[in-house]
Amino acid sequence: EVQLVESGGALVQPGGSLRLSCAASGFTVSSKWMSWVRQAPGKGLEWVSIIYTDGTTYYADSVKGRFTISRDTSKNTLYLQVDSLRAEDTAVYHCARSLTTSSGFMNYFDYWGLGTLVTVSS
Amino acid sequence: EIVLTQSPATLSLSPGERATLSCRAGQSVGSSLGWYQQKPGQAPRLLIYDAFNRATGIPARFSGSGSGTDFTLTISSLEPEDFAVYYCQHRRNWPLTFGGGTKVEIK
Repeated sequence: EVQLVESGGALVQPGGSLRLSCAASGFTVSSKWMSWVRQAPGKGLEWVSIIYTDGTTYYADSVKGRFTISRDTSKNTLYLQVDSLRAEDTAVYHCARSLTTSSGFMNYFDYWGLGTLVTVSS
Repeated sequence: EIVLTQSPATLSLSPGERATLSCRAGQSVGSSLGWYQQKPGQAPRLLIYDAFNRATGIPARFSGSGSGTDFTLTISSLEPEDFAVYYCQHRRNWPLTFGGGTKVEIK
């Protein structure tokens, strides 16, 4: 069974940093395209970052230069290093796996974790 | 950035009724559009990908249509478990973006 479990969220001051983790089971993180998607309290969904199987990464403009996506194959875990945090980064951060079809990978998300809450406030 | 505009913001319907949700893209996304359902306290669930393909395990009462800039998610007969928020999302280019959501509530 595929499971994604996030951790690492916390209350942090503006300018602070965190490392978010997403422990995967039921599949190998390095064999799938993996993303982080966030949701501010009471708001909609915002895609944040993706890492491809070949290690290529992409970021939303709002986080480029401040957030870094990575993975650890030995731990089967996806990470998001979040630096220079701002109030507008306050959100639940979900990790999500990209859909695989007979045509290959597609940037839709078929498995999601419940998320970890990051609150940026002084 | 491709902006996705969903309408209406809220849809008030009764169980058994038909729900029609709209997603309009600011520029063509071809058929590269999907739909998700999200219930309170839960992660989103993929319903439809590439405009009309149902994801694994999704009931046949959910259907998607459209291409270019105008897309529709139809729920043919609402079940009690279908009352939720629905989001569209494109994969045409970077960044991936989501619509603002349509809440389907019990009338």
